[in-house]
Amino acid sequence: ETGVTQSPTHLIKTRGQQVTLRCSSQSGHNTVSWYQQALGQGPQFIFQYYREEENGRGNFPPRFSGLQFPNYSSELNVNALELDDSALYLCASSLAGVLTETQYFGPGTRLTVL
Amino acid sequence: LAKTTQPISMDSYEGQEVNITCSHNNIATNDYITWYQQFPSQGPRFIIQGYKTKVTNEVASLFIPADRKSSTLSLPRVSLSDTAVYYCLDTNAGKSTFGDGTTLTVKP
Repeated sequence: ETGVTQSPTHLIKTRGQQVTLRCSSQSGHNTVSWYQQALGQGPQFIFQYYREEENGRGNFPPRFSGLQFPNYSSELNVNALELDDSALYLCASSLAGVLTETQYFGPGTRLTVL
Repeated sequence: LAKTTQPISMDSYEGQEVNITCSHNNIATNDYITWYQQFPSQGPRFIIQGYKTKVTNEVASLFIPADRKSSTLSLPRVSLSDTAVYYCLDTNAGKSTFGDGTTLTVKP
């Protein structure tokens, strides 16, 4: 069984640029959620994708967008990067359909915006 | 989903049992209680989940009283490698809201 993987591990961008982060879900999982974690804080929910459709969104502006592909892998895109976007971006996969649904997290992508 | 309340930090020593308590003042009927562990620069790792009474697995126990307004994560005989941030969450079908967690520091 393959766990959740994310790429790249680290990334440095400048203000105004665009970035794409990638996530491969755990084998057998059909749901992917993305979180932003600033230093010293808990993860903040960005959005969730289920069967290629957005299935819930947190308090993040439209410049944060995503995709889920038929193989359930996912991308997080952030446009017009701001300094405050510097954070650890976490992807979590799960199998939807049960109340006991448990999320399994990847190692994260560390994004630094200069 | 509401955020839970837990202590900001706790200290312990190797070999001791550690109990971390969480308040779930706004838990809904269909919510489960889930605990995660997170090491620096890594994603959170699932520890244990329960609905009520007691749940035990190979790494921890979870105690939930009848009113489900609180929960206690019990870590038996902690080691230095248990130093991490611990999050308690109300979860419903995979959706949950993280608070800022409890930083547990285990000392030799």
